[in-house]
Amino acid sequence: GENVEQHPSTLSVQEGDSAVIKCTYSDSASNYFPWYKQELGKRPQLIIDIRSNVGEKKDQRIAVTLNKTAKHFSLHITETQPEDSAVYFCAASMGYGGSQGNLIFGKGTKLSVKP
Amino acid sequence: DAGVTQSPTHLIKTRGQQVTLRCSPKSGHDTVSWYQQALGQGPQFIFQYYEEEERQRGNFPDRFSGHQFPNYSSELNVNALLLGDSALYLCASSFSGLKETQYFGPGTRLLVL
Repeated sequence: GENVEQHPSTLSVQEGDSAVIKCTYSDSASNYFPWYKQELGKRPQLIIDIRSNVGEKKDQRIAVTLNKTAKHFSLHITETQPEDSAVYFCAASMGYGGSQGNLIFGKGTKLSVKP
Repeated sequence: DAGVTQSPTHLIKTRGQQVTLRCSPKSGHDTVSWYQQALGQGPQFIFQYYEEEERQRGNFPDRFSGHQFPNYSSELNVNALLLGDSALYLCASSFSGLKETQYFGPGTRLLVL
């Protein structure tokens, strides 16, 4: 079955710097890759996603890149702010008629943004 | 427009007991997936319900069962509770045309003593 590895497990940056979190997946049939942000005691919040027919997607200060050949995808946060501090999870899924939507998650990255 | 809701927020049970957790999906969504999130870990897929049937199942024992009602809400039942069942149980809803795009509820924190 699918396996998702996420690195690093913790990341500390200064406010205004960029942060990059990387994930690799094992099943080449996976075609949907969402990123979730989970603040302490709160629900995972979908912040951005990408499908396998796209190499990069941006939404304001966040972007995700996908390399299907290498089977890895990354989350990029620019101009980090203290409110970006949270645990970030990557996930992989086979949508569009595959396994129909069960998400396989990485173990998470705790991002700390220091003012 | 209400998002995904879950009840109860917290629950304490003892080993061997049974528990039922509830989830109401986001308006317009008809598919419900359940996940277990242990402390410090990513969510693990338990099962997914669509059209009142279990459509997919993760690597969880038969002690974990569920149900979906005609209004798309769902229940997760866990029998013969073990200490290791202590976790945050998350419900996620999606639209059947895009089952993989899932929005999570706030979760139910279960503690088994």
